[in-house]
Amino acid sequence: GDSVTQMEGPVTLSEEAFLTINCTYTATGYPSLFWYVQYPGEGLQLLLKATKADDKGSNKGFEATYRKETTSFHLEKGSVQVSDSAVYFCALTMNTGNQFYFGTGTSLTVIP
Amino acid sequence: DADVTQTPRNRITKTGKRIMLECSQTKGHDRMYWYRQDPGLGLRLIYYSFDVKDINKGEISDGYSVSRQAQAKFSLSLESAIPNQTALYFCATSQFRPGASEQFFGPGTRLTVL
Repeated sequence: GDSVTQMEGPVTLSEEAFLTINCTYTATGYPSLFWYVQYPGEGLQLLLKATKADDKGSNKGFEATYRKETTSFHLEKGSVQVSDSAVYFCALTMNTGNQFYFGTGTSLTVIP
Repeated sequence: DADVTQTPRNRITKTGKRIMLECSQTKGHDRMYWYRQDPGLGLRLIYYSFDVKDINKGEISDGYSVSRQAQAKFSLSLESAIPNQTALYFCATSQFRPGASEQFFGPGTRLTVL
């Protein structure tokens, strides 16, 4: 079935370090892919998305490229800040949008 | 005001009690979902509804029931709560658009069953 596998955490980085959180997917067709972020004590909010192969989603300095050949959607940021400390979830939905499949989440802590 | 609200935000109850968690939305979306979040397990789908007359079981529906009272309201019930239902519960909404659907989440309800 459709699923998402993402890099386990927790991840601890120093401020201004480069961030990569890996995400790969399994899907029977061509899904839309998402990264959600969950700040402490809050619900999930959409960070970025890509709806077809080779699309790049970007927001707040974060980027992810939809790679069909490697079935991946890795999240990157060139220089993290303390305020980026949160849990990040990779997710997919198929064209019907019936269900969303989430990864297990990766906790990121950025230290000054 | 928040687009997706959940009540209560925190609840402590005892084993065997009936609990209802409520979700309301002002986004005008047709689709509503209930998830639970557990450490290391991510989000797991409990139930979802595509309109008032449509209810579907998700991955982990045992021990839960839902009611879609109106387009804007979707409640989750635990008929007889047990300790392993202690978790963070999220309501979400979406409006299907080809290639562009995304979910919008409420702030969550932290439920503790003693």
